[in-house]
Amino acid sequence: DTEVTQTPKHLVMGMTNKKSLKCEQHMGHRAMYWYKQKAKKPPELMFVYSYEKLSINESVPSRFSPECPNSSLLNLHLHALQPEDSALYLCASSHPSGRGVTDTQYFGPGTRLTVL
Amino acid sequence: EDQVTQSPEALRLQEGESSSLNCSYTVSGLRGLFWYRQDPGKGPEFLFTLYSAGEEKEKERLKATLTKKESFLHITAPKPEDSATYLCAVQGNTGNQFYFGTGTSLTVIP
Repeated sequence: DTEVTQTPKHLVMGMTNKKSLKCEQHMGHRAMYWYKQKAKKPPELMFVYSYEKLSINESVPSRFSPECPNSSLLNLHLHALQPEDSALYLCASSHPSGRGVTDTQYFGPGTRLTVL
Repeated sequence: EDQVTQSPEALRLQEGESSSLNCSYTVSGLRGLFWYRQDPGKGPEFLFTLYSAGEEKEKERLKATLTKKESFLHITAPKPEDSATYLCAVQGNTGNQFYFGTGTSLTVIP
């Protein structure tokens, strides 16, 4: 099973709201990722967790706050977002680099976020 | 600096008309090259991982090949359901990070 699940599928929020995106995988992967994707652009890396520790933060604004409560779950907490943050948010997972047979990243279906 | 370039940006094919998509890369020590298919509004769907020059992988109408500088995704006798954006990504020896190309948008006309 190579499934990564994400909830919700769609989210509309105002600029003063606080919301969270959730991601779950049961493949035993110990690396998990958040990407942001704008229309007709490739995914843009935001955060990487390796063994539940934040290993890469691509200079993402503090209104995005990631959390990895255990090896299967990844959250992205959103607060005071701007309209330009509207995008498809993708979660992915893989074996950590050098630790698995393959480093292939498996993606979830994404959360379509609209900020009004 | 690690870099990935995909061409063409867009490709329109008649059903049954075979063609190839290109992914050129520069990376400090290739760890893996990955092909994904992405439908509008959905997450990328994994197709292939290639690790070393000369490697080839096939799945239905798709075949991926790898040289030291580029990869090709060959589509044989495509069908309308093959219409999607095809993304290429590379991973270097420095860690987990993927570098994505900008994708090729494929449209197959019945």
